[in-house]
Amino acid sequence: DVKVTQSSRYLVKRTGEKVFLECVQDMDHENMFWYRQDPGLGLRLIYFSYDVKMKEKGDIPEGYSVSREKKERFSLILESASTNQTSMYLCASSLLAGARNEQFFGPGTRLTVL
Amino acid sequence: AQSVTQLGSHVSVSEGALVLLRCNYSSSVPPYLFWYVQYPNQGLQLLLKYTTGATLVKGINGFEAEFKKSETSFHLTKPSAHMSDAAEYFCAVTDQPGNQFYFGTGTSLTVIP
Repeated sequence: DVKVTQSSRYLVKRTGEKVFLECVQDMDHENMFWYRQDPGLGLRLIYFSYDVKMKEKGDIPEGYSVSREKKERFSLILESASTNQTSMYLCASSLLAGARNEQFFGPGTRLTVL
Repeated sequence: AQSVTQLGSHVSVSEGALVLLRCNYSSSVPPYLFWYVQYPNQGLQLLLKYTTGATLVKGINGFEAEFKKSETSFHLTKPSAHMSDAAEYFCAVTDQPGNQFYFGTGTSLTVIP
């Protein structure tokens, strides 16, 4: 089975801190995605990556950056955390093409910024 | 551009009753459609998907969905609700494999004993 893991389930940070959220997948997927999930808003795409060292902005990239140095790892970075970035963050991965084109999700990181 | 509308942010059904969760999509090209389920404090798990072929798609846990192009709909159904079905359900659309998914805002399903 595909496994997507996220470094923390719960995280509490202070305003202005630099925050790293790590995601690792073990199925050699080309695509990786970062979403944030907020009540009533569903999932909103922050950034995604089709390949190592490649990144594309999603719908809400402001205040975030990403890094993909290895195929299996995709990091989300909050350069200076703010309270409005308190949210659930979900990482996902998928194949670039083919029948198994669904996205596989990690368990999520619930981030609280105080 | 694609988008998804899920009618009803909260749905309650009695145990044993029919579950119907509605999803309408907007897409300028033939869509790929997905339903995901999220249990409390967990990530999303794929329930079923439509890519091509048969328009009635069966998924896990007894769920199924029918792609209706004329209605731009992909409603999720289950004949008999179980307590374990209580969760958040998300509909998603994309225009081709590997591309960005567009998710609906979700429907929270409550099952009443």
